[in-house]
Amino acid sequence: NAGVTQTPKFQVLKTGQSMTLQCAQDMNHNSMYWYRQDPGMGLRLIYYSASEGTTDKGEVPNGYNVSRLNKREFSLRLESAAPSQTSVYFCASSTWGQDNQPQHFGDGTRLSIL
Amino acid sequence: AQSVTQLGSHVSVSEGALVLLRCNYSSSVPPYLFWYVQYPNQGLQLLLKYTTGATLVKGINGFEAEFKKSETSFHLTKPSAHMSDAAEYFCAVSPTSFSGGYNKLIFGAGTRLAVHP
Repeated sequence: NAGVTQTPKFQVLKTGQSMTLQCAQDMNHNSMYWYRQDPGMGLRLIYYSASEGTTDKGEVPNGYNVSRLNKREFSLRLESAAPSQTSVYFCASSTWGQDNQPQHFGDGTRLSIL
Repeated sequence: AQSVTQLGSHVSVSEGALVLLRCNYSSSVPPYLFWYVQYPNQGLQLLLKYTTGATLVKGINGFEAEFKKSETSFHLTKPSAHMSDAAEYFCAVSPTSFSGGYNKLIFGAGTRLAVHP
């Protein structure tokens, strides 16, 4: 059972470079999410996709874009990386329309921007 | 706006001792409540969740949490700590109102649990 798979696991970028973080889930979930985790701040929502074909901003969307490629895949793009975007990024997914259903998380991408 | 407060960013216990991790939420309507655990270099795993009904919720690995509406709390406990419990623990809330198709989660800042021999 793969669950939620994120690639890459680690990445080092220089300021101004761009990259795309990939996420795929095999649980037939409708909703997918991107979070960033910073020390002492818990997880903060960057973008989410309630269902295939829709995306919306979360709490901290500036500097990021997303694409819901199909039901399984949801990517996060940094167009021009900044040191403030050094963080651990998590993708998650959940079933649609049931607030008591938990989100399932990938193992994260550890991103350093120099 | 809803918020989650976890008291104590670091908690240290002896192996075999009681584990108590505190979580308080702010909401006029009791939300859905979750505890997640994060082991080093891994993602978050669900420990337990409260929706409605019984206020004492049992989770995996011997953990349980009690929902207390009057105190707006959802503290996590385990009677006897094990070395393998060392991890970071996150409390999260989700509003009970339908959020247009996605499960909005608001996380606390996390509590890192250390277990020493």
